Formats: sequence, structure tokens, C-alpha cells
Amino acid sequence: KQEVTQIPAALSVPEGENLVLNCSFTDSAIYNLQWFRQDPGKGLTSLLLIQSSQREQTSGRLNASLDKSSGRSTLYIAASQPGDSATYLCAVRPNTGNQFYFGTGTSLTVIP
Amino acid sequence: DTAVSQTPKYLVTQMGNDKSIKCEQNLGHDTMYWYKQDSKKFLKIMFSYNNKELIINETVPNRFSPKSPDKAHLNLHINSLELGDSAVYFCASSQGPQDYQPQHFGDGTRLSIL
Repeated sequence: KQEVTQIPAALSVPEGENLVLNCSFTDSAIYNLQWFRQDPGKGLTSLLLIQSSQREQTSGRLNASLDKSSGRSTLYIAASQPGDSATYLCAVRPNTGNQFYFGTGTSLTVIP
Repeated sequence: DTAVSQTPKYLVTQMGNDKSIKCEQNLGHDTMYWYKQDSKKFLKIMFSYNNKELIINETVPNRFSPKSPDKAHLNLHINSLELGDSAVYFCASSQGPQDYQPQHFGDGTRLSIL
């Protein structure tokens, strides 16, 4: 069964820093991988979705990469802002089935 | 316009009661999901329906029964609530199986069992 791990569990950085969040998965037979952010008391907002045939996706200050063979994805946030403070979750969708396997998340705090 | 809406947002009730959570999506999607997020923030799939038919049923106690009256609605009924049922329950939808569009989530229902 697919297992998804995110490191670190928590991260605190000063405003303006570039940072990387890591996601690893045990089964490389994935259909796609999605990064979400979750604000306190709120649902999940989709940030980026990478298909298994893609290497990366970019949206504004965010860049997500995917290395399927090694079972890794990274989310790069450039020039972090206090508004980026949230929990970031990665989720893997296997080739078969219609669901996501979520990681445990990284709680990010950007200090003004 | 809310894409995926869940009601209620908060639910506080006593052990042993039966309760329902409702979910509606106005995106025209065929597939809907229920997830449970525990105190450690881990999100786990519970059920998935595609066009009103159950396609995923993870290892969930049979006290939990999903119902999809139409493809825009997926409700979750829970019988004989237990302390361990306290969690945030998220509803989500997607265009359909094996699609290229991301899942859209509701804001969650925070269930607290006394």
C-alpha cells in the first residue's frame, strides 16, 4: 500500500527566505501528485498538480518537482511571505483506483 | 459561489447518538469523496462515489454509511457515535476517475464527541 511521508513536520523561516518542502512515496506507480495548502479551520486548497509524465509545475512563487523513479517530490517556495504560513500537504494518486494518499503535512510558519 | 459545501461546519454531540453530515458540489463533477482528518492532521480516504455508485470503501466501521442521492450530493451518516470518531471530515469532488483536474475540497466538518 502506498505510504506518503513529508519532511520536515514543521518549519519556521524568516520572511523573504526561499524554502523547500519534501514529499516521498513508497510506490512509484503513480498517476499524479498534488500539493495542497490547508489554513487553520479551512479545507484544502490545491496548489499544483503534476502528472506522472511531468517533471515539474510552476505557479507564481511556487515550483513543484517530481522524480517518480526515486519516489520524491519537492515544493519550492520563493521569497516566502507571512501569508504563506499554513500546513502543506502532498497527495499521491496511484495508477489504479480513484483516491489520493495524503502525507502528514508540513506546518510552515513565515516570521515577519 | 461555494464549489464544495459541507453542513454543518461544527457538530458537537454525545456518544451513542446518530448524526449526518451533508455535502454538495456545484461543479458538475461526477466523483465525490469523504476523507477523515485525525488529530495528527493525517487525511485518510473513507469513501468515493462516481456518478452515485460506490467505488472506494476503505476499512471503515459499518457505523459509517454514505449515501449519494444524485451525483451532486454525498452525505455521510454515522450511527452510534464513539469518542474516536472525533475528527474533521472533508468532502471533495473531482471531474471523474482518471481525470487531469485536481480535487476540490470543502471546508470540513469538525465533529466533537462528548
